[in-house]
Amino acid sequence: KQEVTQIPAALSVPEGENLVLNCSFTDSAIYNLQWFRQDPGKGLTSLLLIQSSQREQTSGRLNASLDKSSGRSTLYIAASQPGDSATYLCAAVRMDSSYKLIFGSGTRLLVRP
Amino acid sequence: GAVVSQHPSRVICKSGTSVKIECRSLDFQATTMFWYRQFPKQSLMLMATSNEGSKATYEQGVEKDKFLINHASLTLSTLTVTSAHPEDSSFYICSPRLAGAGGYFGPGTRLTVL
Repeated sequence: KQEVTQIPAALSVPEGENLVLNCSFTDSAIYNLQWFRQDPGKGLTSLLLIQSSQREQTSGRLNASLDKSSGRSTLYIAASQPGDSATYLCAAVRMDSSYKLIFGSGTRLLVRP
Repeated sequence: GAVVSQHPSRVICKSGTSVKIECRSLDFQATTMFWYRQFPKQSLMLMATSNEGSKATYEQGVEKDKFLINHASLTLSTLTVTSAHPEDSSFYICSPRLAGAGGYFGPGTRLTVL
């Protein structure tokens, strides 16, 4: 059974810092891994998707890496801004026909002005 | 990206009533729909998977008679919470599957049962 864990659960940083969010998964047989952002009381916004054959994806100040062998993914946020404050969720997609996303518990990020 | 809508966005009801939540994929056809729920400060938990024209498959611990899912067309799926109780208060999110792409999600429905 796939389990996804995110560390830390919460993070508070001053504006401008570079930061790393961690995601680990127990079953390396994944189809892909996605990072999402969720603002309070809102739905999910997809940030980055890494296919199982890829090592990383970049979008603007965001960079996500994937190491299947170790069951880890990281989301790197450069030059953080107050507008980055949100909960960040990673989700692993099972490598079967179900295409179910298994979510981590999330990291609540606060970027202080 | 794909456009997914959910209606209503927020609903407050009395205990014992039934609530229907609609999820529509506006610009693609979804053969599979996932329904998730999210309790406060927790992550998304998969409730069920539905395929167009067939019965939904429920995750362990989710009551199929309480959470009725209908996936009558490739663009519409509904979740009905029957005889809702306060413990059913949650954020419900649908996710239609687009083959070969990542997960797309509706904006969610906040259900509050008094």
